[in-house]
Amino acid sequence: GAGVSQSPSNKVTEKGKDVELRCDPISGHTALYWYRQSLGQGLEFLIYFQGNSAPDKSGLPSDRFSAERTGGSVSTLTIQRTQQEDSAVYLCASSFGTGSTNEKLFFGSGTQLSVL
Amino acid sequence: AQSVTQLGSHVSVSEGALVLLRCNYSSSVPPYLFWYVQYPNQGLQLLLKYTTGATLVKGINGFEAEFKKSETSFHLTKPSAHMSDAAEYFCAVSLNTGGFKTIFGAGTRLFVKA
Repeated sequence: GAGVSQSPSNKVTEKGKDVELRCDPISGHTALYWYRQSLGQGLEFLIYFQGNSAPDKSGLPSDRFSAERTGGSVSTLTIQRTQQEDSAVYLCASSFGTGSTNEKLFFGSGTQLSVL
Repeated sequence: AQSVTQLGSHVSVSEGALVLLRCNYSSSVPPYLFWYVQYPNQGLQLLLKYTTGATLVKGINGFEAEFKKSETSFHLTKPSAHMSDAAEYFCAVSLNTGGFKTIFGAGTRLFVKA
């Protein structure tokens, strides 16, 4: 597609339920990121996929959070047993990942997650 | 590990005044440095970046930033603020650590007063 696509754009769930957030990166981008944007908390790094390398999961806040990337393209972020503090905008970004001087991130519009 | 610190979560300036948003980074190797902007109800977009070469870089909408290695800083400036500059600004650093993982600062919200 022309840009990074995220779905759903909004998700309301009940505390304790599991949710799955999807990201479809730009075709040809080998690097994919998940960030979380909470009010007053800035942009928090969650996880980073680069090609076929093992993902950098150092930003995941708890073991309730996991992510996978299938076939080097689409990624799914899963939050199990959601808590109210998980409410935030979850942003996905992708890039060529080559480290060239053209490197920059392209962001999706995000998924607004509300946990009631 | 790299990190990014943005001084001031909120900055308020008058229209026509100088805009200065501060960013300091820590890194063991020369990083790539970025400023991204998020306008109200819009997605994040790149404002400008430093990778190599000239340390003063110019971006969109009259913004520029200077990479100062000795101060580990990459402050964002604009000589004259416009109402349309009101947005949240994020400084980011990217290192070649087997990939180009990008870490963001906490962001600075810029308010522009008429």
